[in-house]
Amino acid sequence: KAGVTQTPRYLIKTRGQQVTLSCSPISGHRSVSWYQQTPGQGLQFLFEYFSETQRNKGNFPGRFSGRQFSNSRSEMNVSTLELGDSALYLCASSLERGSTDTQYFGPGTRLTVL
Amino acid sequence: QKEVEQDPGPLSVPEGAIVSLNCTYSNSAFQYFMWYRQYSRKGPELLMYTYSSGNKEDGRFTAQVDKSSKYISLFIRDSQPSDSATYLCAMSAINTGGFKTIFGAGTRLFVKA
Repeated sequence: KAGVTQTPRYLIKTRGQQVTLSCSPISGHRSVSWYQQTPGQGLQFLFEYFSETQRNKGNFPGRFSGRQFSNSRSEMNVSTLELGDSALYLCASSLERGSTDTQYFGPGTRLTVL
Repeated sequence: QKEVEQDPGPLSVPEGAIVSLNCTYSNSAFQYFMWYRQYSRKGPELLMYTYSSGNKEDGRFTAQVDKSSKYISLFIRDSQPSDSATYLCAMSAINTGGFKTIFGAGTRLFVKA
């Protein structure tokens, strides 16, 4: 069974631009969560999607948004990029909501903002 | 104060040593406790999962949870160079929005051959 895939793997943008990251969960998984990982703050929860609806949200500004499609694939968007948005963005999928014991992470998208 | 505290290390040990990794937390609502391993340029991989207090063993890995002290540990026996990675603790609680999961900063472990 294929794992969680994320595209692109690497991205370089400049301040003020916007970016869209994509995540394809494991087949059959319906919950997708997004995280931001930085050396200073560690892994921080962005939001969770289940059945095309945002179910849970972390403490990030409104510039960070996401959506989930009917096939459970998810995208996250960051608008008006800031230098501090440089991070590894990880997507994790699980079978159901709150399945912390079966949450599988993708390899991440490394975003660099210049 | 962060909800979950984890020493970032790095921790360097010789091959075969017993490794002890720890996290402390402040929120008594946490019920689910996890340890993840993250290799360079990879996403975190779930190693151990424990519900509430107690011990759980899986091969060379043992997870311990002491809710009275708000302290969790991961022990690695007979450590191998392939165990060199960053180890993240994570804890979950149920809130009105669903599950809230908080990760520790991660401890970098180096096992020298």
